Amino acid sequence: DAGITQSPRHKVTETGTPVTLRCHQTENHRYMYWYRQDPGHGLRLIHYSYGVKDTDKGEVSDGYSVSRSKTEDFLLTLESATSSQTSVYFCAISETEVTEAFFGQGTRLTVV
Amino acid sequence: QKEVEQNSGPLSVPEGAIASLNCTYSDRGSQSFFWYRQYSGKSPELIMFIYSNGDKEDGRFTAQLNKASQYVSLLIRDSQPSDSATYLCAVNPSSNTGKLIFGQGTTLQVKP
Repeated sequence: DAGITQSPRHKVTETGTPVTLRCHQTENHRYMYWYRQDPGHGLRLIHYSYGVKDTDKGEVSDGYSVSRSKTEDFLLTLESATSSQTSVYFCAISETEVTEAFFGQGTRLTVV
Repeated sequence: QKEVEQNSGPLSVPEGAIASLNCTYSDRGSQSFFWYRQYSGKSPELIMFIYSNGDKEDGRFTAQLNKASQYVSLLIRDSQPSDSATYLCAVNPSSNTGKLIFGQGTTLQVKP
């Protein structure tokens, strides 16, 4: 199994509070991704990173920010959580931009 | 038109049969294609990837790619109840950024 750890695995938070999800990898892969998965929408890319301090937006980036200060860590922040951000969040990594991506265990976030 | 389309199913097959899962994509320049399996409540797990036209076999799984017709399929031979899961098709678009685009997945049920 690819060495990817997401934390926390589950979180319940209140509307309007900031939330940070962490993805940690031990594979030294250059590319890291944050996806959300919702019924009826499948997996959608939020943000991705192609190197330390190099990030770009995905399909559903509004309301989210990311940071990558080290190769192994990719943080996803919800500045002010809303109920529409209730979802399962997956981190993924890949060695190059054309090779397969491996997923972390996921974080189930509930915003009440 | 969705960029990556799959029939949501459920696709139901008897144990021992061949399951055929199909996926079409809209970006004609896409170069790499992936099949993931996702059990309920779990993260996506890579099954196969294919880059060239034709068939690629790995055990009971065969991926088929036809770039001219813009479809990719996954055949599962000798289906087992443990194959019951949602199968996600993912496409790396022609920009080759690694920003995989996922279909919504096909649910497969293998009945004993």
